[in-house]
Amino acid sequence: KQEVTQIPAALSVPEGENLVLNCSFTDSAIYNLQWFRQDPGKGLTSLLLIQSSQREQTSGRLNASLDKSSGRSTLYIAASQPGDSATYLCAAITQGGSEKLVFGKGMKLTVNP
Amino acid sequence: GAVVSQHPSWVICKSGTSVKIECRSLDFQATTMFWYRQFPKQSLMLMATSNEGSKATYEQGVEKDKFLINHASLTLSTLTVTSAHPEDSSFYICSAITGQAQHFGDGTRLSIL
Repeated sequence: KQEVTQIPAALSVPEGENLVLNCSFTDSAIYNLQWFRQDPGKGLTSLLLIQSSQREQTSGRLNASLDKSSGRSTLYIAASQPGDSATYLCAAITQGGSEKLVFGKGMKLTVNP
Repeated sequence: GAVVSQHPSWVICKSGTSVKIECRSLDFQATTMFWYRQFPKQSLMLMATSNEGSKATYEQGVEKDKFLINHASLTLSTLTVTSAHPEDSSFYICSAITGQAQHFGDGTRLSIL
């Protein structure tokens, strides 16, 4: 059974720092891994999707990497801004035909001005 | 693109009533949609997979007679919480797949008095 873990559960940083958000998964036979952002009381916004054959994806200040052999994905946020404050979740779809996402518990990020 | 609309965004009702939540894919067709439930400060819990034109697939422990799902068209899935009670109060979120990514609605906050 796939399990996704995000540590730490919360992070508070000053504005401008480059950030590393970690995600680990137990079953390396993943189909893809997706990073989301959730603002308080809102749904999820898809940030980046990495397919199993890919090593990384980039969008603006965001870069996500995937290392299936070690069961890890990392989301890099460059030059963090207060507007980046939100909860970040990673989720994996395991190979086998199901399209179900297995979510980590998320990491609450606070970027202080 | 890939917009998922969820309605209503917030509903308060008395115990014993039934509540219907709609999930629409606005600019794409979705044969599969997902319904999640999220408790405060927790991650998303998959409740069921909604399949267009067929019965929904429920996760273990989710009462299918309590949470009725109908996916009558390629752009609309509905979740009806029947005879709602205070313990059903939660944040409900739907998602739909296009390409390989899941896209989420903004969620519905359900409060049962």
